[in-house]
Amino acid sequence: AQSVAQPEDQVNVAEGNPLTVKCTYSVSGNPYLFWYVQYPNRGLQFLLKYITGDNLVKGSYGFEAEFNKSQTSFHLKKPSALVSDSALYFCAVRPLNYGGSQGNLIFGKGTKLSVKP
Amino acid sequence: GAVVSQHPSWVICKSGTSVKIECRSLDFQATTMFWYRQFPKQSLMLMATSNEGSKATYEQGVEKDKFLINHASLTLSTLTVTSAHPEDSSFYICSARDPGPSYTFGSGTRLTVV
Repeated sequence: AQSVAQPEDQVNVAEGNPLTVKCTYSVSGNPYLFWYVQYPNRGLQFLLKYITGDNLVKGSYGFEAEFNKSQTSFHLKKPSALVSDSALYFCAVRPLNYGGSQGNLIFGKGTKLSVKP
Repeated sequence: GAVVSQHPSWVICKSGTSVKIECRSLDFQATTMFWYRQFPKQSLMLMATSNEGSKATYEQGVEKDKFLINHASLTLSTLTVTSAHPEDSSFYICSARDPGPSYTFGSGTRLTVV
């Protein structure tokens, strides 16, 4: 079965320190990969995506992610965390060989990021 | 960038009544929209895929007669929760495939059934 794993329910980081939110996936073919952020009682905001090309993708608010095909990972990173980065982060994939589905995203369970001053 | 407008943001309704949630793509045409349900501290669960001009495709376990989806135009999809019950209380989010190619999400609707 196709799936996305975010192994950490919560990540705690001190402000100013680098942060990493992990994501691995298990899908057929070469998927499109996404990161979204969700603030309380809000929809999802797009951060970045990987379609093809350079494995290091830069996105909104200083976030970046590195696509690693051999490890089937797409970890989200930021060199210096801000308190305002505290939110729920979702990794998602769209399998290109998605069979009977109609191009919907498959989501990880989400990782709560907490940045302390 | 692409924008999807979803409303209402929150709604409280009495048990047994119906509630309609609208999802509009404001600056692009969306032939396909997706409806998700999110329980507290959990991920998004795909309920159905809405296709303009045709019937929606529902995920296994989702009652199509209870969650009516209409996608009558290229910019509007609606989800109607019929005969709502307290267990239908949840956060509902719509999404549309935009020209990115990416997916743009609405701001969500908090439904509380009392």
